[in-house]
Amino acid sequence: EAGVAQSPRYKIIEKRQSVAFWCNPISGHATLYWYQQILGQGPKLLIQFQNNGVVDDSQLPKDRFSAERLKGVDSTLKIQPAKLEDSAVYLCASSLSPSAGGPHEQYFGPGTRLTVT
Amino acid sequence: LAKTTQPISMDSYEGQEVNITCSHNNIATNDYITWYQQFPSQGPRFIIQGYKTKVTNEVASLFIPADRKSSTLSLPRVSLSDTAVYYCLGPQGAGSYQLTFGKGTKLSVIP
Repeated sequence: EAGVAQSPRYKIIEKRQSVAFWCNPISGHATLYWYQQILGQGPKLLIQFQNNGVVDDSQLPKDRFSAERLKGVDSTLKIQPAKLEDSAVYLCASSLSPSAGGPHEQYFGPGTRLTVT
Repeated sequence: LAKTTQPISMDSYEGQEVNITCSHNNIATNDYITWYQQFPSQGPRFIIQGYKTKVTNEVASLFIPADRKSSTLSLPRVSLSDTAVYYCLGPQGAGSYQLTFGKGTKLSVIP
């Protein structure tokens, strides 16, 4: 079974530039997540999609971050303009539709390491 | 928010059993406790999940006492390749299925 694919794996940009990350979830997974992981910390959820609708984007800095999931499959996360503090690994994960509080496994991609200089 | 508390780091020698305990409050009756493992430069990987008593799979065992205020991840006979960060996760809120990651426990296995 193919896992969650992400690209690019690494990206270096200057502050105030824009950048986009792509994610292809596991086939059949209706739920897709984007996380930000700063060095030394656990992943922080940025946005969650159920099919192509947003379930939760309460922690997404909407003044500079945007995400979309067209056709309920692939997703892109964009940062415009980037700040130094956006340097982190951006992880995409997918899962089957979860039941509230019930068993739930998320499958993570390898992540994109972003460095903003 | 179901907050979890776990040790920041642990050391173990190869071949030993490692137990990592996690404290959690505000767990709803049907909420699951989930553990993930993360190696450097990789995304987290699901290890095990349960909501009461004991669960065992090919990788680990999870013990959850009756009061469900804590859980213990047990890794039998660790090897150097088990060096990783281990996250204990509860749902974001009672009845929620979102996961909230803390800083995790960095396990270092020593030869």
